[in-house]
Amino acid sequence: ELKVEQNPLFLSMQEGKNYTIYCNYSTTSDRLYWYRQDPGKSLESLFVLLSNGAVKQEGRLMASLDTKARLSTLHITAAVHDLSATYFCAASGGSNYKLTFGKGTLLTVNP
Amino acid sequence: SAVISQKPSRDICQRGTSLTIQCQVDSQVTMMFWYRQQPGQSLTLIATANQGSEATYESGFVIDKFPISRPNLTFSTLTVSNMSPEDSSIYLCSVILAGTANYGYTFGSGTRLTVV
Repeated sequence: ELKVEQNPLFLSMQEGKNYTIYCNYSTTSDRLYWYRQDPGKSLESLFVLLSNGAVKQEGRLMASLDTKARLSTLHITAAVHDLSATYFCAASGGSNYKLTFGKGTLLTVNP
Repeated sequence: SAVISQKPSRDICQRGTSLTIQCQVDSQVTMMFWYRQQPGQSLTLIATANQGSEATYESGFVIDKFPISRPNLTFSTLTVSNMSPEDSSIYLCSVILAGTANYGYTFGSGTRLTVV
């Protein structure tokens, strides 16, 4: 059974600082996803990572995947208040396309 | 990517009653998924709904409690039956377009259910 562990669960940071959210998964996974959720809202897709060594960047966010270590990271560069949200990683594997989610990281960026 | 219309967006229901949630997709999709997100928690998959076959439920979820319909490739409903306060959650549907798992999943806007 695929398990996804995400840490930290809570992250309070100051604007302008850098930080990394970690996502470990327990078994072989074909695809790794990162989502953003604002309070009371649905999930917004950020990144899809498909292969070992994949790196994707969008603005101040950069995601990477190491399939050998079963680890994905979401790096935040020079955080701004607008990045405050909950970030989820999710993994899937096999032909059933089911997503298993981490517990989420509640990110608060303080001025 | 697909666009999903999910209804209702929120509801307050009496215990013992049932609520049916609808998801309408603007494209034909093979697979639809229903998730539950309890307050302050992550998403948990309830079931996978494929058109033309019975829904596949995850451990801890049963058809009598969460019956699902999938009459065609663009529509699905989830019913939360005989509700109790423990059913208070956000319910979300999700889809992937056939052959496009590499592009991510699309989620509906969610239904915020409060059972009193």
